[in-house]
Amino acid sequence: AQSVAQPEDQVNVAEGNPLTVKCTYSVSGNPYLFWYVQYPNRGLQFLLKYITGDNLVKGSYGFEAEFNKSQTSFHLKKPSALVSDSALYFCAVRDREGGATNKLIFGTGTLLAVQP
Amino acid sequence: GAGVSQSPSNKVTEKGKDVELRCDPISGHTALYWYRQSLGQGLEFLIYFQGNSAPDKSGLPSDRFSAERTGGSVSTLTIQRTQQEDSAVYLCGGEDTPLNEQFFGPGTRLTVL
Repeated sequence: AQSVAQPEDQVNVAEGNPLTVKCTYSVSGNPYLFWYVQYPNRGLQFLLKYITGDNLVKGSYGFEAEFNKSQTSFHLKKPSALVSDSALYFCAVRDREGGATNKLIFGTGTLLAVQP
Repeated sequence: GAGVSQSPSNKVTEKGKDVELRCDPISGHTALYWYRQSLGQGLEFLIYFQGNSAPDKSGLPSDRFSAERTGGSVSTLTIQRTQQEDSAVYLCGGEDTPLNEQFFGPGTRLTVL
């Protein structure tokens, strides 16, 4: 079965410091990977995706993610955190074994708290 | 429209009542998904619509849950005889191209008393 894991429930980082939110995946075949962010009382917003090509993917709000096939990871990174980055972050993989549905399979989410 | 809209934004109901949640996707998004976000449960898939194809209902937790999509656009998720465990945020998402990113609405927060 395909799955994603976010091993950290919460990540704390000081403003201006680099941040990393971890994600590992388990899929058969080539993965289609996504990061979404959820601000309080808001829906999910797409940040970035990896389909194919360069392992380093750049997305919205200065975020980037590195696809590592050997480690089956897709960690989200940002060189300098902002207080406004504080939110809930979800890693997701497309379910390509589910026939035509291709639904997203989400991790449990990581709460990012950036301290001023 | 500018984005995916969902209504109501909040719904409080009594146990045993029926509720209807509405999703209005971005024009041209042929695929539509419903997910449920529960405390401690993360995000779980409920149902999928693609064009005129039969929907994939494999994620619906019980026969109290049903959904329809009229004219390939607006979708309604109906929960009959609501239970307290149905309390969650219900999210609707759509995409224009298979395997592309999904765009989500703000969600409906359902509270069953």
